[in-house]
Amino acid sequence: DQQVKQNSPSLSVQEGRISILNCDYTNSMFDYFLWYKKYPAEGPTFLISISSIKDKNEDGRFTVFLNKSAKHLSLHIVPSQPGDSAVYFCAASVSPQKLVFGQGTRLTINP
Amino acid sequence: EAQVTQNPRYLITVTGKKLTVTCSQNMNHEYMSWYRQDPGLGLRQIYYSMNVEVTDKGDVPEGYKVSRKEKRNFPLILESPSPNQTSLYFCASSSLTENSNQPQHFGDGTRLSIL
Repeated sequence: DQQVKQNSPSLSVQEGRISILNCDYTNSMFDYFLWYKKYPAEGPTFLISISSIKDKNEDGRFTVFLNKSAKHLSLHIVPSQPGDSAVYFCAASVSPQKLVFGQGTRLTINP
Repeated sequence: EAQVTQNPRYLITVTGKKLTVTCSQNMNHEYMSWYRQDPGLGLRQIYYSMNVEVTDKGDVPEGYKVSRKEKRNFPLILESPSPNQTSLYFCASSSLTENSNQPQHFGDGTRLSIL
C-alpha cells in the first residue's frame, strides 16, 4: 500500500504563475515531511521540509503547507520559473532517515 | 565538494551474473541508504545503514545484499540478478544528529538493465 501519494503525475504551469504540488499520506505517525526536486540524469536534491509541529514553512519562492487533519501536504512555488521544471517528490518519515516517498509529479513551466 | 558517488552510472548485464554497485560519500555521514526508482512507484528503500557494521532491511530488500565495512562506502550487491531488478538505483547519505532531521544527499543514480 502506498503510504505517501502524489495523485498528479504531471502539472503544467505558465512562467510567473503559482505552481501547487500536492501530496497525501495515510500514516498519522509521520512527523517530518520533505520535498525533493529531481532533474533528468541527476539524483534528487533536497528542497524544503516541515516538521509536524508546524503548518507552514517558507524558503524564498518555496512554501510548504501541512494540514495534519487532512493528512495533506502541498508545495507552492511562486513565481514559477523555467528552471523549476523537474520531477518533485514528497517524502515523509516516522523515524529519522527512514523516508517513504511519493510517486513524483513532473512539473513543466511554460514560457 | 561534498558528494555521493555511484559507480557504474549505467550497466547492462545478464540474468544470474553477480554485480556490485559502489557508493561512496565524502561527508563523514553515519547514515547511508539504497533506493530504487520505478515508474509510478517513486523511490523505495532497499537497505540502509546507521553506521559501520550496522545495516537493516528497507521496504524491498529481496534479491539484494549490502555491507558497511567503512564509513564512507556502502556497496549494493546483486548476487543473482533477475530482470525484475532492472531499475534506476540511488544511494544516499546523511548525518545523524540528535533531535534533528538531516536531509539525505543523493548520488546521481545507476541505471541497471538485467536481460
